[in-house]
Amino acid sequence: AQTVTQSQPEMSVQEAETVTLSCTYDTSESDYYLFWYKQPPSRQMILVIRQEAYKQQNATENRFSVNFQKAAKSFSLKISDSQLGDAAMYFCALPLGGTDKLIFGTGTRLQVFP
Amino acid sequence: DVKVTQSSRYLVKRTGEKVFLECVQDMDHENMFWYRQDPGLGLRLIYFSYDVKMKEKGDIPEGYSVSREKKERFSLILESASTNQTSMYLCASSWVAENTGELFFGEGSRLTVL
Repeated sequence: AQTVTQSQPEMSVQEAETVTLSCTYDTSESDYYLFWYKQPPSRQMILVIRQEAYKQQNATENRFSVNFQKAAKSFSLKISDSQLGDAAMYFCALPLGGTDKLIFGTGTRLQVFP
Repeated sequence: DVKVTQSSRYLVKRTGEKVFLECVQDMDHENMFWYRQDPGLGLRLIYFSYDVKMKEKGDIPEGYSVSREKKERFSLILESASTNQTSMYLCASSWVAENTGELFFGEGSRLTVL
């Protein structure tokens, strides 16, 4: 069965510092995407970053980058130069068996302190 | 920009009432989804629709039904609401053609069943 595990229910970081959110997953697929989504308080969930499993290069979107280790089935999100607006729930997600349906982790609540 | 609109942000219903949650997307997406979000459990898929009048059960369909009479609209129905259906409900949509699994979410409907 495919699973997504986020072992950090809460994390905190000081403004301008760097924080890493962890995600591990399990899948029998050889080619797939992985996603990090952000859900700000009382606002809609949006895609932060996407990684294609066949690409060895880690994805980067401005201050957001991933550390993708396919063999270890690990997909962590690094947020550099943290800003107050980064405070949110972050969810790691994996498509179910080549379908368009996503399996989500339980989420990590990130607090950013001034 | 893709817009996914959920008709009600907050609802309070009584046990046994029939509840309709409406979702409309404006980007001609083939896929539409209803997820339920609970603290510590992440997002769980209730139902998925890949075309008009087509639907598939997700992980937790019990107590729910759906309707998709038009491509842009996907409704979640609670035939007889129960207190354990108090939750945040998220609608999402996506293209089939892109096949990347990226979902576009509405702002959510927080349902309280008394």
